[in-house]
Amino acid sequence: QVTLRESGPALVKPTQTLTLTCTFSGFSLSTSGMCVSWIRQPPGKALEWLARIDWDDDKYYSTSLKTRLTISKDTSKNQVVLTMTNMDPVDTATYYCARTLALEEGRWFDPWGQGTLVTVSS
Amino acid sequence: DIQMTQSPSSLSASVGDRVTITCRASQSISSYLNWYQQKPGKAPKLLIYAASSLQSGVPSRFSGSGSGTDFTLTISSLQPEDFATYYCQQSYSTRYSFGQGTKLEIK
Repeated sequence: QVTLRESGPALVKPTQTLTLTCTFSGFSLSTSGMCVSWIRQPPGKALEWLARIDWDDDKYYSTSLKTRLTISKDTSKNQVVLTMTNMDPVDTATYYCARTLALEEGRWFDPWGQGTLVTVSS
Repeated sequence: DIQMTQSPSSLSASVGDRVTITCRASQSISSYLNWYQQKPGKAPKLLIYAASSLQSGVPSRFSGSGSGTDFTLTISSLQPEDFATYYCQQSYSTRYSFGQGTKLEIK
């Protein structure tokens, strides 16, 4: 059974750096075709993809946020870490991590973690 | 970046109705289109991948079609548990993008 769980601070101050950890089980990020993505959702709004890291350590970022994001992995710990710098109240959202399979037919997010709500406020 | 536009943004329907949700891409994305269902306070759940492939465990009343720029998600006979928000997502570009969502409500 594949599971993912996000962890990190519930509250950060403006200008601070957010660090989120995705801890997963049921698959290995060293297996060809395996990837992990981060997606966020502001309260009452739509989903926004943020970043992806692949089994071969390739990394992809949202065009609008790429200067603020860094994604990394620790394969031995089954963890993926996302950092976002210079946090702003508009970054208040539920942050999800999701397994992403890189297949010929495409890439999709399945399953997702339960999500973690991050509030940016002074 | 590729923009995804869903219509309608919201929809009221009754149990047993047939419902169709549309997703349009700003450029051709072949069949690299996925659909998700999200219920309040929960993470999204994959329903359809590669435009028309039903994810394991998803009821057969859900179906997807389309290619290029125009796609549809159809629910053949609405059940009470189907009232939720639905999102499309493209994976043609490595900068993935979602539609704005369609909220399906009980009439």
